[in-house]
Amino acid sequence: GAVVSQHPSRVICKSGTSVKIECRSLDFQATTMFWYRQFPKKSLMLMATSNEGSKATYEQGVEKDKFLINHASLTLSTLTVTSAHPEDSSFYICSAIGQMVYPYEQYFGPGTRLTVT
Amino acid sequence: AQTVTQSQPEMSVQEAETVTLSCTYDTSESDYYLFWYKQPPSRQMILVIRQEAYKQQNATENRFSVNFQKAAKSFSLKISDSQLGDAAMYFCAYNSGGGADGLTFGKGTHLIIQP
Repeated sequence: GAVVSQHPSRVICKSGTSVKIECRSLDFQATTMFWYRQFPKKSLMLMATSNEGSKATYEQGVEKDKFLINHASLTLSTLTVTSAHPEDSSFYICSAIGQMVYPYEQYFGPGTRLTVT
Repeated sequence: AQTVTQSQPEMSVQEAETVTLSCTYDTSESDYYLFWYKQPPSRQMILVIRQEAYKQQNATENRFSVNFQKAAKSFSLKISDSQLGDAAMYFCAYNSGGGADGLTFGKGTHLIIQP
């Protein structure tokens, strides 16, 4: 149980376009979802926290107008990178928590590799 | 702000031997959670072990155990009987807020297993 999926796993887009990444909890209801960014050979950095039906909370330094997060249901959160530029190329990982045995334990998706050309 | 420090960028161990990965953290919170995650080349984050700060007993999961020193704000991971499949990046992580906050990660330790 506690499976989180992400789609797509890889995406290439042209500079100036927007791209949407989906994060789904497949077998549980996610009370909160998180979005992280990981640069090559680096650690994960929290970008934002989203709760179903409310606005996302962004970490300091993360542009909320560039990284749009929508948490429309208890099983789906989306991250839209708007007007993408090559510096937005990165590995994006989502995670989710729910009413599980360990409600504080985050379950991670497999990640999405974004390349902006 | 909370910080997590992993001072070992890379560690190497012979297969079947024991290795300890270090992690220290800084927080003013009294209630928090600590984790070790494994990230293999696939980049899927895999939970290795968790520790609730209010528990004095060190967590263990089969070959993996932690040495949690709350006063020293230290949370090291011991891997016994190292196996080739243990080779990966290991990240120490922290959160508070009853666990509803995002995770703060250390920079990671690259673990190499020598056959």
